[in-house]
Amino acid sequence: QVTLRESGPALVKPTQTLTLTCALSGFSLGTSGMCVNWVRQPPGKALEWLARIDWDDDKYYSASLRTRLTVSRDTSKSQVVLTMTNMDPADTATYYCARINRVGDSRSWFFDLWGRGTQVTVSS
Amino acid sequence: EIVLTQSPGTLSLSPGEGATLSCRASQSVSSRYLAWYQQKPGQAPRLLIYGASSRATGVPDRFSGSGSGTDFTLTISGLEPEDFAVYYCQQYGYSPPYTFGQGTNLELK
Repeated sequence: QVTLRESGPALVKPTQTLTLTCALSGFSLGTSGMCVNWVRQPPGKALEWLARIDWDDDKYYSASLRTRLTVSRDTSKSQVVLTMTNMDPADTATYYCARINRVGDSRSWFFDLWGRGTQVTVSS
Repeated sequence: EIVLTQSPGTLSLSPGEGATLSCRASQSVSSRYLAWYQQKPGQAPRLLIYGASSRATGVPDRFSGSGSGTDFTLTISGLEPEDFAVYYCQQYGYSPPYTFGQGTNLELK
């Protein structure tokens, strides 16, 4: 079964660093054409794209959050990790990882599969 | 960065009726790289439409997408009870950033 599953702390304090893990099952980020994105959604608000990591280890970040984000991968563990520094209550959101699968179709840059999300609250 | 504006913000309809959701981009979306997602409360977004008009695997044919350039539409013909949800459009492509619209809440009248 092809899935993504996010995990991480439910509560972090302001100024702390958040570390989230996305576990991949049924596919490998090492396969040419695969990418994994991070997207967040504050309560009652719209989706916001944060970062992307590709099969060849290329990385892309939201311009507004670039200085606070790092995305990395552990292909052997089938995991993608997102770290966000200097957390603020405004970062309270559900964080999702989502796949881009361009295997067999180079134009398929859409997010075809999403994890269920992990809720993060920033509060002292 | 491309800004996507969805309208209306809320659409109140009854089962069996048709729904038309709009997504307008601040600049032309290249190669029709426009997707629609459905999100139900407490769930992750689900891909419905990609390439502006192609249905994702398993999506009923009552969902259809159209448009190009800066104006795109998601049409749902004959609403089923399970279709009441929030719908987001997204522009995508090789080079981020990726942006989403603010969503249209399709609610039961």
